[in-house]
Amino acid sequence: KAGVTQTPRYLIKTRGQQVTLSCSPISGHRSVSWYQQTPGQGLQFLFEYFSETQRNKGNFPGRFSGRQFSNSRSEMNVSTLELGDSALYLCASRSTGGTQYFGPGTRLLVL
Amino acid sequence: GDSVTQMEGPVTLSEEAFLTINCTYTATGYPSLFWYVQYPGEGLQLLLKATKADDKGSNKGFEATYRKETTSFHLEKGSVQVSDSAVYFCALSTARAGGTSYGKLTFGQGTILTVHP
Repeated sequence: KAGVTQTPRYLIKTRGQQVTLSCSPISGHRSVSWYQQTPGQGLQFLFEYFSETQRNKGNFPGRFSGRQFSNSRSEMNVSTLELGDSALYLCASRSTGGTQYFGPGTRLLVL
Repeated sequence: GDSVTQMEGPVTLSEEAFLTINCTYTATGYPSLFWYVQYPGEGLQLLLKATKADDKGSNKGFEATYRKETTSFHLEKGSVQVSDSAVYFCALSTARAGGTSYGKLTFGQGTILTVHP
């Protein structure tokens, strides 16, 4: 089976812009979670989607949003970008056994 | 809330040395425990997991045992290689039917391992 794919791999944006990141889970997985990784805060949970519904959300401002499509692909959007949003954004798809498998990540740099 | 604490790093070892990375956790209920590894410029790869007390997860020479009495899940390897140089993350999940933790992994801060020839 193909693994989790994320696009794009790298992004450079300026403050105030918005960005959309995409994630395709492993075939057959219906749950997708998103994480932000920064040197200062480590790995933090953003939100999780299952069957097109947000089932759980971390402690991030409303500028961070997401959605999931009927084919389980997911997107996350960050509006009004701030310098502090520079990070590696990781997507993970969850098997029915509960294990999460991660994609390679999208590295976002906000200037 | 749930939390994971890993030993302070970085850890520097010579090839063929014994490795231990300590991990302790605080969680409600009975979590599943995981070790993930991250190589430079990549995402996280699952290294091993354990889903109940006294389970031992193992993979590629790495082992960890789920110790409920000490709330620990220490990672060990008998003989490390240069290729094991990476960042290692301990994580837990308390996802359960009807709960609010679905899809959420709680991670430790990560331990950087460098292995010299």
